[in-house]
Amino acid sequence: DQQVKQNSPSLSVQEGRISILNCDYTNSMFDYFLWYKKYPAEGPTFLISISSIKDKNEDGRFTVFLNKSAKHLSLHIVPSQPGDSAVYFCAASASGGGSEKLVFGKGTKLTVNP
Amino acid sequence: DAGITQSPRHKVTETGTPVTLRCHQTENHRYMYWYRQDPGHGLRLIHYSYGVKDTDKGEVSDGYSVSRSKTEDFLLTLESATSSQTSVYFCAISEWAGSGNTIYFGEGSWLTVV
Repeated sequence: DQQVKQNSPSLSVQEGRISILNCDYTNSMFDYFLWYKKYPAEGPTFLISISSIKDKNEDGRFTVFLNKSAKHLSLHIVPSQPGDSAVYFCAASASGGGSEKLVFGKGTKLTVNP
Repeated sequence: DAGITQSPRHKVTETGTPVTLRCHQTENHRYMYWYRQDPGHGLRLIHYSYGVKDTDKGEVSDGYSVSRSKTEDFLLTLESATSSQTSVYFCAISEWAGSGNTIYFGEGSWLTVV
């Protein structure tokens, strides 16, 4: 049972345009959400996070939106740059569990074309 | 930089042989994790530790064991390697970020079982 779903395996956008990566979750206990970026042959790197008490968090070109009622979050990258080409993972956790585990989606490969 | 070092970074081993991957951290983090990444599966938790000698299973723990005799070291052992354990293994630590725990990954260990 996949608790965190990224339904688009890949996404291709033009440089300068907006990239929107989507993520859905099923566990209503999740209250902290994160996005990671991964380049080939490297470890995933933390990008941005959002708590369930917020519906938006922004960091430079990256904005994460959270819709709790729909159990949906999205990552917006504006403007997209060729260096943003990577695999993006959505992750979620439930606080208070004591284990601080993250559950990851399967990832979306973003390609930004010059 | 989360101060995580994984070794070895690359290893080829034969089916049936034992393999140990080491994760070393320098910042006294309580929580440590081992994930594996496979195409089509994203990042899956193998085992995690919440303190010295305190470990627990993740979602794909079969065929793996772990040990944590010191805060800084978390070892992952494949008792008898199989081809299905060919994967990229990532060690991680977590840090409290105010609203939730953020996980930071090492650079990965590429394991091929032939």
